[in-house]
Amino acid sequence: GNSVTQMEGPVTLSEEAFLTINCTYTATGYPSLFWYVQYPGEGLQLLLKATKADDKGSNKGFEATYRKETTSFHLEKGSVQVSDSAVYFCALRGSNSGYALNFGKGTSLLVTP
Amino acid sequence: GAVVSQHPSWVICKSGTSVKIECRSLDFQATTMFWYRQFPKQSLMLMATSNEGSKATYEQGVEKDKFLINHASLTLSTLTVTSAHPEDSSFYICSARVGREPDTQYFGPGTRLTVL
Repeated sequence: GNSVTQMEGPVTLSEEAFLTINCTYTATGYPSLFWYVQYPGEGLQLLLKATKADDKGSNKGFEATYRKETTSFHLEKGSVQVSDSAVYFCALRGSNSGYALNFGKGTSLLVTP
Repeated sequence: GAVVSQHPSWVICKSGTSVKIECRSLDFQATTMFWYRQFPKQSLMLMATSNEGSKATYEQGVEKDKFLINHASLTLSTLTVTSAHPEDSSFYICSARVGREPDTQYFGPGTRLTVL
């Protein structure tokens, strides 16, 4: 079946540091890949997505590239801000699973001034 | 942007009672709504998918008689946890899909259920 594995948190970084959150997946066919972000007290929000191999999703300075050869979709940001503190979820939508999403466990990010 | 609300945001109940959680799409009509369950430090686990006017489709291992889902309109879905027990304590999250954006789900803020 489909599954997503992402790095354990929490991750603590200083402001302006480089961020990488690793995400790998297992799926049959050609899944779509997503990163969602959950700020404290709020619902999950779509951060970025990629629907086919080699696509790069980007938003708010975050990027992730769909790597089929390594089954990965790592999230990166060159310079994090305190306001980026949140929980980040990697997810996939299988090509044969309707519109339901499979999520990773989430990675908590804390950015300190 | 599209907003999904959940009510209540948290609830504490006694074992054996039933609890209803509402999920509303506030400014759009949702063709499909999803219910997820999240345990501490775990991923969101899909419980069921509901389409307006039809029976919900439950994931394997989810008891349909325990977790009753009603999707009476394009803006409202309800999850009723019947005869709740302490092991049902969890964080329940709904999401709504807009038909014209198949890859976009809008999530509610979640409901924390604690069963004593």
